[in-house]
Amino acid sequence: DAGITQSPRYKITETGRQVTLMCHQTWSHSYMFWYRQDLGHGLRLIYYSAAADITDKGEVSDGYVVSRSKTENFPLTLESATRSQTSVYFCASSVSGDGYTFGSGTRLTVV
Amino acid sequence: DQQVKQNSPSLSVQEGRISILNCDYTNSMFDYFLWYKKYPAEGPTFLISISSIKDKNEDGRFTVFLNKSAKHLSLHIVPSQPGDSAVYFCAATGTASKLTFGTGTRLQVTL
Repeated sequence: DAGITQSPRYKITETGRQVTLMCHQTWSHSYMFWYRQDLGHGLRLIYYSAAADITDKGEVSDGYVVSRSKTENFPLTLESATRSQTSVYFCASSVSGDGYTFGSGTRLTVV
Repeated sequence: DQQVKQNSPSLSVQEGRISILNCDYTNSMFDYFLWYKKYPAEGPTFLISISSIKDKNEDGRFTVFLNKSAKHLSLHIVPSQPGDSAVYFCAATGTASKLTFGTGTRLQVTL
């Protein structure tokens, strides 16, 4: 199916565990982004990528790692999960850096 | 430092009336502005945008107004419908090819 898909939709993990959130898009969009949504903060940028093998930090990148070896995939890894990383995570892609298309989100709970 | 601000966390409007959602920004480098709509358990979806060379853009029931001197934009929905009940995010971008989002306004359209 064409589009942008995130997996898993829901994840519960323990503090200190490593967890990876997956994002896959079928359009070959150059730009991909990871945001987290928290009450009172809206959507905050974690990392973004302008092309394969090019990534850059957003405003809340501490504790997160990304990679982009292929244009269509942009996984987000929490190296050692903390309770403050409990959030809803959205991946997005774009042709030109604006006009994003978002995935359906991953709700992550760190216990 | 919140560069895009939506000062009203929530808004309730009667069906058929006008909904006005407001957004302020502080970064003079922003030159393209967007509104996204978000339903629960879904990703945000693009609604309407406006370039800084315009002061108004209209799409059906939705109109966005931009006041560059005041660094203010607003989204007007006329007439409001129950299906418009959602969270609305204002977003802005400049040359960095990434969007900065506001905190969102929850719109409730009542019967």
